Amino acid sequence: DTAVSQTPKYLVTQMGNDKSIKCEQNLGHDTMYWYKQDSKKFLKIMFSYNNKELIINETVPNRFSPKSPDKAHLNLHINSLELGDSAVYFCASSLRQGYSGNTIYFGEGSWLTVV
Amino acid sequence: GDSVTQMEGPVTLSEEAFLTINCTYTATGYPSLFWYVQYPGEGLQLLLKATKADDKGSNKGFEATYRKETTSFHLEKGSVQVSDSAVYFCALSGGNDMRFGAGTRLTVKP
Repeated sequence: DTAVSQTPKYLVTQMGNDKSIKCEQNLGHDTMYWYKQDSKKFLKIMFSYNNKELIINETVPNRFSPKSPDKAHLNLHINSLELGDSAVYFCASSLRQGYSGNTIYFGEGSWLTVV
Repeated sequence: GDSVTQMEGPVTLSEEAFLTINCTYTATGYPSLFWYVQYPGEGLQLLLKATKADDKGSNKGFEATYRKETTSFHLEKGSVQVSDSAVYFCALSGGNDMRFGAGTRLTVKP
């Protein structure tokens, strides 16, 4: 059973297009995240949702819009894609906010290439 | 804000060599500390963690001790294998999110 699953795994698209990445977790967790990993492997948090409520919104262009229809799903929609958006996007989840010892569980990543 | 600094790689070792990857942190309060591993083409997996000072996390022969006095959480393994080749991330959590170091790529040669 896949704990955190995201689709698609690979996505190649042209500049200016709009695309979505879907994420689902079956762990019963309250908190979900989107992280971006650049070509140098640096990981940066983009968004965090707790029980469908936006908790963290780092300095991310507003072309990126997360949507959480329920606490098991957190989708990422990207408008007007730019070359610099090429990266690996990781969905993740943890039990709940507020406890520092919570482990974050990651999906396998979505490799986005903008051409 | 909270942050993690880990030694830059890449690190290349021969099989059965001793591994140390240094990690230091800056944080307010009492964070938990983690090591994650990322194998090629995969997501990050928890390797070990420690939630308070002097705790030692261990898994698969890897160990790290939470040292508050030196604000460190260095990763060690006594004898590495080729299968340990991966990128290792030190991370810190204060409760609301997790902050990662830049990652250290380890290559183990037979």
